[in-house]
Amino acid sequence: DAGITQSPRHKVTETGTPVTLRCHQTENHRYMYWYRQDPGHGLRLIHYSYGVKDTDKGEVSDGYSVSRSKTEDFLLTLESATSSQTSVYFCAIGIVGETQYFGPGTRLLVL
Amino acid sequence: QQQVKQSPQSLIVQKGGISIINCAYENTAFDYFPWYQQFPGKGPALLIAIRPDVSEKKEGRFTISFNKSAKQFSLHIMDSQPGDSATYFCAARLSNDYKLSFGAGTTVTVRA
Repeated sequence: DAGITQSPRHKVTETGTPVTLRCHQTENHRYMYWYRQDPGHGLRLIHYSYGVKDTDKGEVSDGYSVSRSKTEDFLLTLESATSSQTSVYFCAIGIVGETQYFGPGTRLLVL
Repeated sequence: QQQVKQSPQSLIVQKGGISIINCAYENTAFDYFPWYQQFPGKGPALLIAIRPDVSEKKEGRFTISFNKSAKQFSLHIMDSQPGDSATYFCAARLSNDYKLSFGAGTTVTVRA
């Protein structure tokens, strides 16, 4: 998985609780992305980062925030989890058009 | 709404057969079209990609055919093997952007 780890790999939480997912890379890539994967929707971009403290919204950013204080770490936070945020979350690094690598994913269940 | 429409949702093919997955797009500003392969429990991995100045690209048993005028591109898996059983996603990138728009995915099952 090209030096990308995600933690936790599985999480069950309750509606209304905050949740933070972590993506860690050892490749020193400038670009990092958070996607969610849901049946029938493919992968949808939540947020992405083009450098430390430089982030921008993707197509499904409502209810999510991100932070990147170090090159190697990109955090995704659900401020108040809802059942509609039950999904598999993937982090990716690299530049689209060259090579983009995906992490192993985090399965999140919001009850 | 998805900017890239992928079909079929799933397909079953016999070992040795040809698997064909189709994708269509509307935005002519897309300039890079990758295909990703995903095995259960894993993240997607880049399989093969094409740019619109080329009509076909082949890597081993995998071929992308690209029809710029029809705004369609397809993945052909020749001599399909049970190890090819996976979900395949097409995607597209806007020129000078660093984001991808993905199709909904196609689950391919290759029967031995």
